[in-house]
Amino acid sequence: GAVVSQHPSWVICKSGTSVKIECRSLDFQATTMFWYRQFPKQSLMLMATSNEGSKATYEQGVEKDKFLINHASLTLSTLTVTSAHPEDSSFYICSAPPGPYNEQFFGPGTRLTVL
Amino acid sequence: DQQVKQNSPSLSVQEGRISILNCDYTNSMFDYFLWYKKYPAEGPTFLISISSIKDKNEDGRFTVFLNKSAKHLSLHIVPSQPGDSAVYFCAATGGATNKLIFGTGTLLAVQP
Repeated sequence: GAVVSQHPSWVICKSGTSVKIECRSLDFQATTMFWYRQFPKQSLMLMATSNEGSKATYEQGVEKDKFLINHASLTLSTLTVTSAHPEDSSFYICSAPPGPYNEQFFGPGTRLTVL
Repeated sequence: DQQVKQNSPSLSVQEGRISILNCDYTNSMFDYFLWYKKYPAEGPTFLISISSIKDKNEDGRFTVFLNKSAKHLSLHIVPSQPGDSAVYFCAATGGATNKLIFGTGTLLAVQP
């Protein structure tokens, strides 16, 4: 299957700082990528749809000014958590669709810890 | 509003026996259903999917059954192996977008 990478795999930052997470499709082009967040022992919650060359589409309840998404090329989407606070600590995962079985290919995730 | 639900948070099965993981959904617009396997601190790995026009899809040890009238699907793993121990998520998609809606997950433990 297709390969999606994320960087960094984990990050620890101080409250009030901004953190950028990269999501790359390594062997295919993706006009759309998705960003999910997973809190411990909970489901994966879709945060936003990243669209190459246009604005991201955010799910209800997700602050677009706090979670900035940029899809600058067909292989790269970035999620910037601005002015991070401890409640933003979570596991952030990106994905790119679709495969032959309508599946999405997920990155390995980024563990964000805000102190 | 949880559109996709997995009512069993955990399941324990003996090696070699069948594992049955269940999933219910509420949105009749969903037309494709998928199962993912996930280890802690890793992204989900795709297992198997099924279109709403089918009621069964099989791939090796994994079989997914879909009951549209009951808005219910299940994943059967047989025979279960210790390496199958992980969290299993069902997911659904439908309509004009490729958005996946995930269930709450079931932690499967296969005992040797």
